Amino acid sequence: AQKITQTQPGMFVQEKEAVTLDCTYDTSDPSYGLFWYKQPSSGEMIFLIYQGSYDQQNATEGRYSLNFQKARKSANLVISASQLGDSAMYFCAMREGAYNAGNMLTFGGGTRLMVKP
Amino acid sequence: DTAVSQTPKYLVTQMGNDKSIKCEQNLGHDTMYWYKQDSKKFLKIMFSYNNKELIINETVPNRFSPKSPDKAHLNLHINSLELGDSAVYFCASSRTGGGYTFGSGTRLTVV
Repeated sequence: AQKITQTQPGMFVQEKEAVTLDCTYDTSDPSYGLFWYKQPSSGEMIFLIYQGSYDQQNATEGRYSLNFQKARKSANLVISASQLGDSAMYFCAMREGAYNAGNMLTFGGGTRLMVKP
Repeated sequence: DTAVSQTPKYLVTQMGNDKSIKCEQNLGHDTMYWYKQDSKKFLKIMFSYNNKELIINETVPNRFSPKSPDKAHLNLHINSLELGDSAVYFCASSRTGGGYTFGSGTRLTVV
């Protein structure tokens, strides 16, 4: 079974509008971490935002916020006021368990976001 | 001040050759990883090393051999390259309580 599912292979958004990228996850471990990364066409993986399973509040980083719904096992990324530079692949990832040596990230299949001027 | 650096960035080689990709991190992290990103952009863990010790070894052909001379370096050696090995290979590092930092990737093309 997929541990991380991103159901939107591609999305368009108008510049300056907000967009939500979906991510659902599957784990039986009570301790886990959820990450979002951006991969522009240049190829590098850029960390955007992190949410721990015990965090009480949704994470925010500038224009990025994470809509964490624990009971639904979803961790959607919200980008406010989209910019042309936001056009990229976006990956949701999970670390199962508390951080220990070797706890790797498991990635979803990604969502390609295209921002229209 | 590159945090996780990989060399080379691009690698084009013929089938059957042996090649290596080097990775170094200057973050003081204790764990390093190799991920493979295929043509459909799917990222999959290959190996993980903690303080030079192999922690994770996913189902990867034994033509792939990681080597960690010290905790700041994790190299990937690939023997007898095949067309299906063409991909982008990412090195990453992490530390207890911290996040995961990725290198800029190595695009391997086997012809």
